[in-house]
Parts: sequence; C-alpha cells; structure tokens
Amino acid sequence: AQSVTQLDSQVPVFEEAPVELRCNYSSSVSVYLFWYVQYPNQGLQLLLKYLSGSTLVKSINGFEAEFNKSQTSFHLRKPSVHISDTAEYFCAVRTRSGNTPLVFGKGTRLSVIA
Amino acid sequence: DTAVSQTPKYLVTQMGNDKSIKCEQNLGHDTMYWYKQDSKKFLKIMFSYNNKELIINETVPNRFSPKSPDKAHLNLHINSLELGDSAVYFCASSQDFLNTQYFGPGTRLTVL
Repeated sequence: AQSVTQLDSQVPVFEEAPVELRCNYSSSVSVYLFWYVQYPNQGLQLLLKYLSGSTLVKSINGFEAEFNKSQTSFHLRKPSVHISDTAEYFCAVRTRSGNTPLVFGKGTRLSVIA
Repeated sequence: DTAVSQTPKYLVTQMGNDKSIKCEQNLGHDTMYWYKQDSKKFLKIMFSYNNKELIINETVPNRFSPKSPDKAHLNLHINSLELGDSAVYFCASSQDFLNTQYFGPGTRLTVL
C-alpha cells in the first residue's frame, strides 16, 4: 500500500518570500505523484504532476516540484508567493498500473501574510 | 462550463435521515469517484466507478450506496445518517484510472 506524509500541517510565510511544502511518500512499486490545491470553500484543482521524464515539473503559476526517488520525496516550491496562493495543498500518489486510487497526504495549509 | 458539478452544495439534516448527493460530469470521462474530507481536511477515497461498474469500494459503512445511472452521473445515497458522517464529500472524474482527476466543488454535509 502507498502512503503520503506531509510534514507540515501549516506554513505561514510573508508575501514575496520563498516557500517549500514538503511531501514524502512510501510505496513498494513505482508511482505517479501529484500536487493538488484547494482554495477556501472550493474543490481540489490539479497543480502539477510527475508521470515520467524530467524530475522537475512546473505549474503555470510559478510552482515547481522535484521528484527525488532516492529520498522518496516530491517537495513543492515557489520562489516568491502571493496573497492569492493562500490555500490548502495536498500531495497525492498512485501506482503506475492497476485500478488503484489516489492516496492523499493530510494537507498543508499555506498562509501568505501581507 | 462546469466540468464536474455536485448538488446540493450544503446539506443540513437530522440523525437517522436518508439523503442523496448528486454528481454529474460533462467531460466525457469513463471513471468517477467519491471522496470524503473530514474536519481535519483529510481526504480519502470512498468509491470509484468505471463505465458504470464499481471498481473501488474502500472500507465504508454499507449505509453508503453509490449509484451510477450512466457514465456521466455518480450519485451517493446515505441511509440512517450519523453524526460522524458530517464532512465535505467530493465527486471527481477522470478519463480512466491513469489520468488526471477533476474534482467537483464539494458538498458540505452537516448531521445534527
């Protein structure tokens, strides 16, 4: 079975500062990795995903995440955050084959302070 | 254009009642899901259907019964509601299990 650990439940950061949200996973088989964002009172939206190829993946709004197989991590980073980035961020994993569900971490609440 | 829609957005009801939440997707996807998000924001899969066939059925009380009348709809019926059922329920869909899942806006269920 797969599991996801998001080490920080809350991350406060000042506007225009860099941020890193940590995600580690556990799996005995190869996986796909995802970051979803949930803005207040909304559903989840896919932010970025790693399927194969380059281990560094980027989103259109400046976030990036790097797949590190040896450390079983998929940390999310942004060099300069905006107030509008305030949201809950979920890391998720699923196996590369079979009808298996997404397994989510418990989420990290990013609060950007003006 | 709403890709994945759920109704109602809010549902407040008494313990013991039976209620349904509806989900519709207009993306032409074959696979649909129900997730439960508890008060601590933890998100867990409940069910998944592929082409109207139940594929994933996690450890969920049998008071919860999904129904898929067609590929575009996956409804969730809950019998004999309990306080612990209070949560936000999300519907999602994807082309198949290997593709990106698109989530609905959620239904906040409050059981009094």
